[in-house]
Amino acid sequence: KQEVTQIPAALSVPEGENLVLNCSFTDSAIYNLQWFRQDPGKGLTSLLLIQSSQREQTSGRLNASLDKSSGRSTLYIAASQPGDSATYLCAVPNAGGTSYGKLTFGQGTILTVHP
Amino acid sequence: SAVISQKPSRDICQRGTSLTIQCQVDSQVTMMFWYRQQPGQSLTLIATANQGSEATYESGFVIDKFPISRPNLTFSTLTVSNMSPEDSSIYLCSVGERYEKLFFGSGTQLSVL
Repeated sequence: KQEVTQIPAALSVPEGENLVLNCSFTDSAIYNLQWFRQDPGKGLTSLLLIQSSQREQTSGRLNASLDKSSGRSTLYIAASQPGDSATYLCAVPNAGGTSYGKLTFGQGTILTVHP
Repeated sequence: SAVISQKPSRDICQRGTSLTIQCQVDSQVTMMFWYRQQPGQSLTLIATANQGSEATYESGFVIDKFPISRPNLTFSTLTVSNMSPEDSSIYLCSVGERYEKLFFGSGTQLSVL
């Protein structure tokens, strides 16, 4: 059974800092990994998708890396801003599942960026 | 990317009643997925809705409790039946193609008294 763990559970940083969020998964037989952002009481916003054949993906100040063999992914946020405050979730598709839309999510990292 | 509209955005309901949540997508999609996020928890897939066939439910979820309709390729509904306080959650619909990004609606925050 796939398990996804995110560290740290919460992170508070001053504005302008670069930061790294970590995600690990137990079953390396994944075809991609996705990072999401969730604001309180809201839905999810897709940030980045990394295919299993890729090492990293970049979008603006965000960079996600994937080391499939070791079961790890990191999300790097450069020059953090108060608007980045949210919960960040990583998720992988369930290997061998009946639905390709079935993702296993981590518990998330709650990020607070203070001015 | 898909634009997903979900209604209602939030509701407060009485125990024993039912609520139907609507999900509208701006393009035709093969599969639609319904997720639940209980307070303080991560997301769990309830069921997969395929147009023209019965929804496929995940372990722990049953059709009598969470009936789903999928009348066409852009619309689906999820009903939460005979609600109890334990059903208080955020319910989200999502769409995506195999091997590609999964997109989520803005969610329905449900509180059951």
